[in-house]
Amino acid sequence: DAGVIQSPRHEVTEMGQEVTLRCKPISGHNSLFWYRQTMMRGLELLIYFNNNVPIDDSGMPEDRFSAKMPNASFSTLKIQPSEPRDSAVYFCASITGTTYQETQYFGPGTRLLVL
Amino acid sequence: AQSVTQPDIHITVSEGASLELRCNYSYGATPYLFWYVQSPGQGLQLLLKYFSGDTLVQGIKGFEAEFKRSQSSFNLRKPSVHWSDAAEYFCAAVTGGFKTIFGAGTRLFVKA
Repeated sequence: DAGVIQSPRHEVTEMGQEVTLRCKPISGHNSLFWYRQTMMRGLELLIYFNNNVPIDDSGMPEDRFSAKMPNASFSTLKIQPSEPRDSAVYFCASITGTTYQETQYFGPGTRLLVL
Repeated sequence: AQSVTQPDIHITVSEGASLELRCNYSYGATPYLFWYVQSPGQGLQLLLKYFSGDTLVQGIKGFEAEFKRSQSSFNLRKPSVHWSDAAEYFCAAVTGGFKTIFGAGTRLFVKA
């Protein structure tokens, strides 16, 4: 299995632009997570989906952030408009089932820089 | 509030020396506990996890961790560190639901 796939790996954009991050979870996995990692705040859970349905989006920082999972093999995290403080590494992770004891498999991350 | 604390921001050990990374949690009930490792430019990889039972848990790459309820701790250990162990290590906890809380991480440097 190829593991969790994220694209792009690096993104540089200007303030005010729309940014879309993409994630393909491991085939057969039922739950998907989006995390943000910064030096100041560490690793934060933004949102997670179970069977393509958003379950908890309480970690989404503000309305500029939105996430979708149109099918079991694809999810997007969109920032519109982007701001410099959104600069971070964004990780996607997936698990096979619906219990939180499961191991989360992380993608390599997307490093976002907003100028 | 629920929290996971890793008191050491960074640690330097000599290759071949033993290692212990500290982790403390603050939860109303005993959470499920995890240790992850992150190499530069990579995502997180699970080293080991504890749910219940034997308080000494064995993981991959020769790591182990011991759960101590009385100290609310879940410290990670390795008897002999290799240069390839240099990375950042994260302790994490989760109770009901999927909201995993990660510690701030401890960066491990290994000197020859």
